[in-house]
Amino acid sequence: DQQVKQNSPSLSVQEGRISILNCDYTNSMFDYFLWYKKYPAEGPTFLISISSIKDKNEDGRFTVFLNKSAKHLSLHIVPSQPGDSAVYFCAAGLMDSSYKLIFGSGTRLLVRP
Amino acid sequence: NAGVTQTPKFQVLKTGQSMTLQCAQDMNHNSMYWYRQDPGMGLRLIYYSASEGTTDKGEVPNGYNVSRLNKREFSLRLESAAPSQTSVYFCASQTGWYGYTFGSGTRLTVV
Repeated sequence: DQQVKQNSPSLSVQEGRISILNCDYTNSMFDYFLWYKKYPAEGPTFLISISSIKDKNEDGRFTVFLNKSAKHLSLHIVPSQPGDSAVYFCAAGLMDSSYKLIFGSGTRLLVRP
Repeated sequence: NAGVTQTPKFQVLKTGQSMTLQCAQDMNHNSMYWYRQDPGMGLRLIYYSASEGTTDKGEVPNGYNVSRLNKREFSLRLESAAPSQTSVYFCASQTGWYGYTFGSGTRLTVV
């Protein structure tokens, strides 16, 4: 059973518009959540994170929203740029000794010029 | 400063062959991880090592073994490769509470 789900395998948006990527989780014990970005033939790179005690975190064009009651988080990219085209993974973790991350299946974002 | 280095980048194996994927980090991190990425499945944890000398199974450990040789190195071994192990393998080390630094991956094909 997938603990972290990204139900949209792909998303296409126009340059300059907002991109919204969604992620759902099932384990209410997760302490923190992260988004990673992955380009082809490269490893994932950290993008932005949020603690379970917050509901929003912003970093430049990227904002992550957390709705704990709905067990849902989203990543907003405003404005979207062609260089944002990549696969985005959400991940969730517990602050135990292992710091294991559980990843979603990814959403491929295409930003059209 | 290389971060996390994985070797090899590409490998083709025949069914039944064995091989070891190497991973090294130069950031003095305690925890290291091996994930595999498959289409539609995201990243799934194979094994992890919370500290030097310890290893634990993740979500999909069958068919794999690991060795945490020292704090820097964490290797993944396939004793008898199967086509189901065709995948892209990523090694990572923990970078504070906010996640991991990943290597660039090993693309493995088992024929």
